[in-house]
Amino acid sequence: DAGVIQSPRHEVTEMGQEVTLRCKPISGHNSLFWYRQTMMRGLELLIYFNNNVPIDDSGMPEDRFSAKMPNASFSTLKIQPSEPRDSAVYFCASRAEGGYTFGSGTRLTVV
Amino acid sequence: RKEVEQDPGPFNVPEGATVAFNCTYSNSASQSFFWYRQDCRKEPKLLMSVYSSGNEDGRFTAQLNRASQYISLLIRDSKLSDSATYLCVVNKPRNNDMRFGAGTRLTVKP
Repeated sequence: DAGVIQSPRHEVTEMGQEVTLRCKPISGHNSLFWYRQTMMRGLELLIYFNNNVPIDDSGMPEDRFSAKMPNASFSTLKIQPSEPRDSAVYFCASRAEGGYTFGSGTRLTVV
Repeated sequence: RKEVEQDPGPFNVPEGATVAFNCTYSNSASQSFFWYRQDCRKEPKLLMSVYSSGNEDGRFTAQLNRASQYISLLIRDSKLSDSATYLCVVNKPRNNDMRFGAGTRLTVKP
């Protein structure tokens, strides 16, 4: 089992650019979560999919953020346009029963 | 009130010490509780689930107090390798997604 796979591991981009983060959940896990982690705010849930359907996107900061899950094995989180305050580590996690399994995260820096 | 609250620490303890972390949660209907461990610049990883009757895994003991809405983690005979941030996790009943505390930073020193 390869675990939850995220790409890229690191992303440095200029303010105003579009950023796309990718996630491949563990096969058979029917729930997928996107989290953002910063020193100031800790781990924040951005959006949650169940069986590819968005269930709760109340944590998405604003319209610049969007997430999709076109199939059970792939999800994207897009930021357009990006801003310096979006700099954080973005984690994807998937779950079947019990606790979550996290990917290694994408460290995003917007300059 | 935050959904999940933890003492941020830091806790600095010598090797061999016993250390305990507490976590409180706001939703009395929560049913699932976990402790996660996060090392610096790494992803959170499941340390242990927390059951109503309390549970133990080696040097680690987790307890749940539903009446007071808190969970605890006890680490006995702490090792240098226990140095990490410990995250308290509680499910949100309506959606069954998980809410994380801000984490408690532990440093075990020689």
